[in-house]
Amino acid sequence: QTVVTQEPSFSVSPGGTVTLTCGLSSGSVSTTYYPSWYQQTPGQAPRTLIYSTNTRSSGVPDRFSGSILGNKAALTITGAQADDESAYYCVLYMGSGISMFGGGTKLTVL
Amino acid sequence: EVQLVQSGAEVKKPGESLKISCKGSEYSFTSYWIGWVRQMPGKGLEWMGIIYPGDSDTRYSPSFQGQVTISADKSFSTAYLQWSSLKASDTAMYYCARLGGSEARHFDYWGQGTLVTVSS
Repeated sequence: QTVVTQEPSFSVSPGGTVTLTCGLSSGSVSTTYYPSWYQQTPGQAPRTLIYSTNTRSSGVPDRFSGSILGNKAALTITGAQADDESAYYCVLYMGSGISMFGGGTKLTVL
Repeated sequence: EVQLVQSGAEVKKPGESLKISCKGSEYSFTSYWIGWVRQMPGKGLEWMGIIYPGDSDTRYSPSFQGQVTISADKSFSTAYLQWSSLKASDTAMYYCARLGGSEARHFDYWGQGTLVTVSS
């Protein structure tokens, strides 16, 4: 069974830029997978950041951006701030109405 | 503003049944898919399944097919997630979320979550 892959953890310095990726255990991610990205802080419901590869959800600052990089979907945070320290999850659409979450990336800002 | 309000925390014993709910408001409930997401303690998010309340079309992740039942009552603008026989491994936070956009491929609004604890 295909698995959606993400880096388990990543760190970035305040003010720095970080790119998190979302891939497939078999195959390449393209726009037809409608990649979306979600941010979750402990004890909170997820928050939608990016959908359809690169469309920011309402209210999301433009320092969050989405793209396809090579064979993966990517979430780039430019000018990282302390409150960006969260878990980030991607979702890929697998067809027939079914989607799948990646395992999530825990981002540390230090 | 669109709101999804979930039912309260539940504590159940193994083998018991359970139905939790998610009530949508401030939008056309029958026109958007609603999904359920599981988060086991200390773990990541898992896509369980979705339902279109307009016609009750339902899709399940293979991992959850046969394990849970998703339903909706459009008269009450409410979606449900139910178990017929709970297991300890069903202990988790469960979120409902609306699928947005014309393609309905991403979640745009989320409920606050319902914590389900299954313990003898």
